[in-house]
Amino acid sequence: GAGVSQSPSNKVTEKGKDVELRCDPISGHTALYWYRQSLGQGLEFLIYFQGNSAPDKSGLPSDRFSAERTGGSVSTLTIQRTQQEDSAVYLCASSSGLGRNNEQFFGPGTRLTVL
Amino acid sequence: SQKIEQNSEALNIQEGKTATLTCNYTNYSPAYLQWYRQDPGRGPVFLLLIRENEKEKRKERLKVTFDTTLKQSLFHITASQPADSATYLCALSSGNTPLVFGKGTRLSVIA
Repeated sequence: GAGVSQSPSNKVTEKGKDVELRCDPISGHTALYWYRQSLGQGLEFLIYFQGNSAPDKSGLPSDRFSAERTGGSVSTLTIQRTQQEDSAVYLCASSSGLGRNNEQFFGPGTRLTVL
Repeated sequence: SQKIEQNSEALNIQEGKTATLTCNYTNYSPAYLQWYRQDPGRGPVFLLLIRENEKEKRKERLKVTFDTTLKQSLFHITASQPADSATYLCALSSGNTPLVFGKGTRLSVIA
């Protein structure tokens, strides 16, 4: 069966441009998560969805970041007016439920480089 | 506030020895703890989950212990092999909240 997929795998953009990152979770997984990982650093939690709803957006680093999920499936993370400090690997994960007993399945990530 | 600490950034051990990694936490109650492995350039992969009422879990050469009094989990890899070299992440949730990950410990097993 298919795992979590993310696209693009690599994105190079110029400072000030907008970028859109896509995540396709495992079919049937109701929970979806976005993380950011800078070089040599841990996972920074950004936002999660339960179904199409994002109960807590406080992890998003600034108002330039937004995310949506439609149809309880695909999610997009949008970064507007990108800055060099946005350069990182953006990881998406999904699980059959939220937290607790549910393991998270991660995608391969999107490596974003802002020049 | 909730905190997760993996107090070794890096750990080097000889092949065949047991590697022991530590994860300490505060203000997670109840606590559900998971361990993940991350290889360079890849997303983390789930290894083991241990619940608050469980003291120990095993899976092949892996063993996880959970001490809710000390608020600590130990992750052991016995008979370690160079292929075990990776970053190991602990993650916690309390009930129906998202997992929060520690910064990880980079394990190098030297032949």
